Amino acid sequence: EIVMTQSPATLSVSPGERATLSCRASQSIRSKLAWYQQKPGQAPRLLIYGASTGATDIPPRFSGSGSGTEFTLTISSLQSEDFAVYYCQQYNNWPLTFGGGTKVEIK
Amino acid sequence: DVQLLESGGGLVQPGGSLRLSCTASGFTFSSFGMSWVRQAPGKGLEWVSTVSSDGGATYYADSVKGRFTVSRDSSKSTLYLQMNSLRAEDTALYYCAKRSVAGLYYFDYWGQGTLVTVSS
Repeated sequence: EIVMTQSPATLSVSPGERATLSCRASQSIRSKLAWYQQKPGQAPRLLIYGASTGATDIPPRFSGSGSGTEFTLTISSLQSEDFAVYYCQQYNNWPLTFGGGTKVEIK
Repeated sequence: DVQLLESGGGLVQPGGSLRLSCTASGFTFSSFGMSWVRQAPGKGLEWVSTVSSDGGATYYADSVKGRFTVSRDSSKSTLYLQMNSLRAEDTALYYCAKRSVAGLYYFDYWGQGTLVTVSS
């Protein structure tokens, strides 16, 4: 099983600042990585797939990068609606696995 | 618009059974693999099971293998999860999720979830 490790667990950021979230895979997953955003009481929402491709209607301030085992989600200028939990997910191998999540909170 | 509506959750005793349903609309259900993903209270996301578009292939997390069975009825645009021998650690919000249009198993649409509580 591929283990996905996200860091940090919590990120405190001021509105307008840049946020950088990391996701590491225990073995290469090529570019088979997705990022999701989850707000309290809501289902996850797809942000990024293929490590760097934005999903439909996702604002350009969200960007993804990386391949192999190291991946990054960057939010260029945090808006109030971006404070949420973010998860990465690998889909290169079965079983599908998620990272433990990074909570982005208001500083 | 794509919609996924889960149902069937509830309170069940340890060792009991429950069947979840997910009714889909807004897309050609028979063309897409479908999955169940769960989230224990206050915890992260855990993939549970997937069924291919034609129902011919199924996949399970080790934590549920041999206890849960995923299936689909394309004539009803409905996904199912039969859960047997339930344990306290199965307590979670269960989401159904649609496979991406690209044919890869990331999820472009999610339902709102149905809550399963396993407790005596």
